[in-house]
Amino acid sequence: ETGVTQSPTHLIKTRGQQVTLRCSSQSGHNTVSWYQQALGQGPQFIFQYYREEENGRGNFPPRFSGLQFPNYSSELNVNALELDDSALYLCASSSTEVHSPLHFGNGTRLTVT
Amino acid sequence: LAKTTQPISMDSYEGQEVNITCSHNNIATNDYITWYQQFPSQGPRFIIQGYKTKVTNEVASLFIPADRKSSTLSLPRVSLSDTAVYYCLVGDVGSARQLTFGSGTQLTVLP
Repeated sequence: ETGVTQSPTHLIKTRGQQVTLRCSSQSGHNTVSWYQQALGQGPQFIFQYYREEENGRGNFPPRFSGLQFPNYSSELNVNALELDDSALYLCASSSTEVHSPLHFGNGTRLTVT
Repeated sequence: LAKTTQPISMDSYEGQEVNITCSHNNIATNDYITWYQQFPSQGPRFIIQGYKTKVTNEVASLFIPADRKSSTLSLPRVSLSDTAVYYCLVGDVGSARQLTFGSGTQLTVLP
């Protein structure tokens, strides 16, 4: 069973740039969620994708957007990067079985300078 | 959204049993309680999940009283490698409701 994989593991960007983070979900999982985790804090929900459509969103501005592909992999795009976007970005996949828990990848560490 | 409250930190010694309690006073009828473990620079790892009473697996037990307004994660005979942040999570992934992580409990296991 292949777990959730994310790429890249680390990334440094400049304020105002755009970034794309990628995630491959665990085999058999068709739902993908993205979380932002600032240093010393718990993960904060960004959005969730199911059947290639966004079906839940947290309190994040529109410059945070995503995609889910037919093979259930996903991308997180962030435009107009701000210094406060520096964080660990976590992808989590789950199945549609009732109360299926989230399975997380190890994240992408984004640093905005 | 059900908010959770956990102790910020706990210390224990190797071989002891550790109990971490989480309060979730406004838990909804359909909500499950899930606990995750997180090491530095890694994603959270699923530990255990339950709805009511007691759940046990190979690594932990979860105790949930009848009113479901709190839950207790029990780690038997902890080792140094159990030093991590533990998160209590209340919600229902299947409903697409956003899941809210609190700040977690930093457990430090001492030799």
